[in-house]
Amino acid sequence: NAGVMQNPRHLVRRRGQEARLRCSPMKGHSHVYWYRQLPEEGLKFMVYLQKENIIDESGMPKERFSAEFPKEGPSILRIQQVVRGDSAAYFCASSPLHSSSDGYTFGSGTRLTVV
Amino acid sequence: DQQVKQNSPSLSVQEGRISILNCDYTNSMFDYFLWYKKYPAEGPTFLISISSIKDKNEDGRFTVFLNKSAKHLSLHIVPSQPGDSAVYFCAASVTNNAGNMLTFGGGTRLMVKP
Repeated sequence: NAGVMQNPRHLVRRRGQEARLRCSPMKGHSHVYWYRQLPEEGLKFMVYLQKENIIDESGMPKERFSAEFPKEGPSILRIQQVVRGDSAAYFCASSPLHSSSDGYTFGSGTRLTVV
Repeated sequence: DQQVKQNSPSLSVQEGRISILNCDYTNSMFDYFLWYKKYPAEGPTFLISISSIKDKNEDGRFTVFLNKSAKHLSLHIVPSQPGDSAVYFCAASVTNNAGNMLTFGGGTRLMVKP
């Protein structure tokens, strides 16, 4: 496991469909963070998870968005009934416990396009 | 409320000269600051960081300066190279037991001309 793996790299969904974005953290990393980058904007925090726990979801829209990080398997960011405004690049990052020396390791992102 | 701001959306510099990227923050609780570099279609990659107890950190061609009283930090790249052309994000965090969420600035696109 060379790094944080996100898939798919590109996802196209029609309005009203569901989008599921997956993130496998680096080996040994127990913290997962999801960020969203809207066109021409910076990265916005969405949610912070540890295994089987949501620690902070203060950046998540109240409706249609959910995230999980199960005991086994990748973290999933789920967007129900997508709208055009959900089109963005979604980045996942992971970190070891209480790491702050060099921040996170980011994945390459999933670019969601809603048509 | 944007707690971390990068007021210059873009910067153009000649190869070999110094690049200076600026970042301002408003939250006095931030105690750790980082710079990330991002190429198109890739995730951000960590570049350099600085703790609030320091005012300077240097790593090769990259130096980060922190002015706590002004709530300002800057990234200096010298000499600049064409491969440095990318978007640079400033980020800040509050170290606590629950984790280290990063608050990002809007980014500055650096273009280094050969």
